[in-house]
Amino acid sequence: DVKVTQSSRYLVKRTGEKVFLECVQDMDHENMFWYRQDPGLGLRLIYFSYDVKMKEKGDIPEGYSVSREKKERFSLILESASTNQTSMYLCASRFRVGLSYEQYFGPGTRLTVT
Amino acid sequence: GNSVTQMEGPVTLSEEAFLTINCTYTATGYPSLFWYVQYPGEGLQLLLKATKADDKGSNKGFEATYRKETTSFHLEKGSVQVSDSAVYFCALSQGAQKLVFGQGTRLTINP
Repeated sequence: DVKVTQSSRYLVKRTGEKVFLECVQDMDHENMFWYRQDPGLGLRLIYFSYDVKMKEKGDIPEGYSVSREKKERFSLILESASTNQTSMYLCASRFRVGLSYEQYFGPGTRLTVT
Repeated sequence: GNSVTQMEGPVTLSEEAFLTINCTYTATGYPSLFWYVQYPGEGLQLLLKATKADDKGSNKGFEATYRKETTSFHLEKGSVQVSDSAVYFCALSQGAQKLVFGQGTRLTINP
């Protein structure tokens, strides 16, 4: 079974704090992703990584950065948390199956910034 | 660019009813198509997929057929249960490109 884990299910942080969200996958997948999910806005891609030490901006990278020092771990960093970053954060990894890819998600981290 | 359109929710059905959630897509070439399900408070789970025209994906009683001529991938289930209450997302990808999601359809099944 593919397993993607996220460090916390619920997190409460104060405005201005530096926040780390960790994601680990145990299937040696090369590609990993960070999304945020908000009511009425669906899933929006923040950053993704095709391999170790590689990162690409998604659709809404402002206010976020990422780190991928090891293949299994992809971290999302909020340098200075703000209330508009209160959201559900979803990590995903994917692997190639023939000509297609299958993407698997972690359980999500619900972050509240007060 | 590529896009996915799902039927608007919420959808409310009684237990044992027949379910259809419509999904149409816009893409050049031959994308792979997926249905994901998200239970309350959880991440998304891959429900089923199809990678070429006329393929049928199936899992847990759910089915969807890749229809190239109508650019559709409608999700169906013959008899829904209360435990099927969730948000369902249709998605597509082409090659190594990122997944493109529909907006999601919330399904509620009443006993």
